[in-house]
Amino acid sequence: DADVTQTPRNRITKTGKRIMLECSQTKGHDRMYWYRQDPGLGLRLIYYSFDVKDINKGEISDGYSVSRQAQAKFSLSLESAIPNQTALYFCATSDAGFPGELFFGEGSRLTVL
Amino acid sequence: EDKVVQSPLSLVVHEGDTVTLNCSYEVTNFRSLLWYKQEKKAPTFLFMLTSSGIEKKSGRLSSILDKKELFSILNITATQTGDSAVYLCAVESNNAGNMLTFGGGTRLMVKP
Repeated sequence: DADVTQTPRNRITKTGKRIMLECSQTKGHDRMYWYRQDPGLGLRLIYYSFDVKDINKGEISDGYSVSRQAQAKFSLSLESAIPNQTALYFCATSDAGFPGELFFGEGSRLTVL
Repeated sequence: EDKVVQSPLSLVVHEGDTVTLNCSYEVTNFRSLLWYKQEKKAPTFLFMLTSSGIEKKSGRLSSILDKKELFSILNITATQTGDSAVYLCAVESNNAGNMLTFGGGTRLMVKP
């Protein structure tokens, strides 16, 4: 089983719908992240969390919200999806001692029509 | 604002060739530079570099950092089709949160 698991892996939805992407990890890391990837733009940070009570905005948090339900679970919500949120979304974790070494999930491809 | 620029955007070579991928950066309060390989979906960690001039090596892959000129290179010798991937460079800052800023990636295709 993967150390970082994302669900769903693929989702097609319509403009205005609420969408939740879920992430769970078995690595025991405190730090969890949500990134989105668009062609040619690399990975951009949406939100990050260093523990259950510590949640922070990344560079592109507008239109998104997150919930850290437990150390192992971190979910990303799009309150009212719009077409320019069509992207590949990654959850990642890292150990506090080596924060730069990220462990990624397999990604969730979201299409907003 | 931290910035990472990778070149070339894409590259096509034949098996056995040697390739060099470039990464230049601007970052306040530098902590490290990292390379990731993204084959189909999830990026996987390759190297972390913190000191200038010290080569990190793993098999046919090697990388070096120049903190004065603010760049890093990733070399792949004797390329194989399995090296085909997008290679991502990222810089980590020492600011609160140790956030990573990623470049846009270099897409490498190795033909048989």
